[in-house]
Amino acid sequence: RKEVEQDPGPFNVPEGATVAFNCTYSNSASQSFFWYRQDCRKEPKLLMSVYSSGNEDGRFTAQLNRASQYISLLIRDSKLSDSATYLCVVKSVTGGGNKLTFGTGTQLKVEL
Amino acid sequence: IAGITQAPTSQILAAGRRMTLRCTQDMRHNAMYWYRQDLGLGLRLIHYSNTAGTTGKGEVPDGYSVSRANTDDFPLTLASAVPSQTSVYFCASSRQGGITYNEQFFGPGTRLTVL
Repeated sequence: RKEVEQDPGPFNVPEGATVAFNCTYSNSASQSFFWYRQDCRKEPKLLMSVYSSGNEDGRFTAQLNRASQYISLLIRDSKLSDSATYLCVVKSVTGGGNKLTFGTGTQLKVEL
Repeated sequence: IAGITQAPTSQILAAGRRMTLRCTQDMRHNAMYWYRQDLGLGLRLIHYSNTAGTTGKGEVPDGYSVSRANTDDFPLTLASAVPSQTSVYFCASSRQGGITYNEQFFGPGTRLTVL
């Protein structure tokens, strides 16, 4: 089983739609959680951190369920510019310090 | 220079050749990282450096070496390239390493093909 699992998609949605992605992680000792965005043939960039109480940044809402070990990202009122791959990232602490484990990503395509 | 730069942007390399991928950051970040990204496998850490003068092995270090002579530069060397090292390589940096998480900033990547 992969440490971080995501549905690869693609999710094809019309502009203005609401779309949700889920991510599950296997290490119950994981400490911190993030969503990164990666545009085609570009580098990943931090979209938002995920806090235990849930957090919102404009049209984006992130939720964490530690008991079920999953993280979600909700995008409301989708824009064409939201088309990208969204990477779920989990941080755990090892002997060498931080370890970030990246999911393989969920591809989103927003269409007219 | 703004942020992280990587060179070359892309490279086709014959198997058995030696290759160094360059990475430079101007943010005075202490920690730097090398990842490879392969379809269906996500980003995997090759090597990291929490501060100048120190390095550590990541998840997939075999066949790669790194050095960190100063804060800004973190080159990745393939001593004798093999086709399985065909990948997209991303360099990243963060303000601190170790157990304190700071956002990782990524360079634009190097697309390497080993034939």
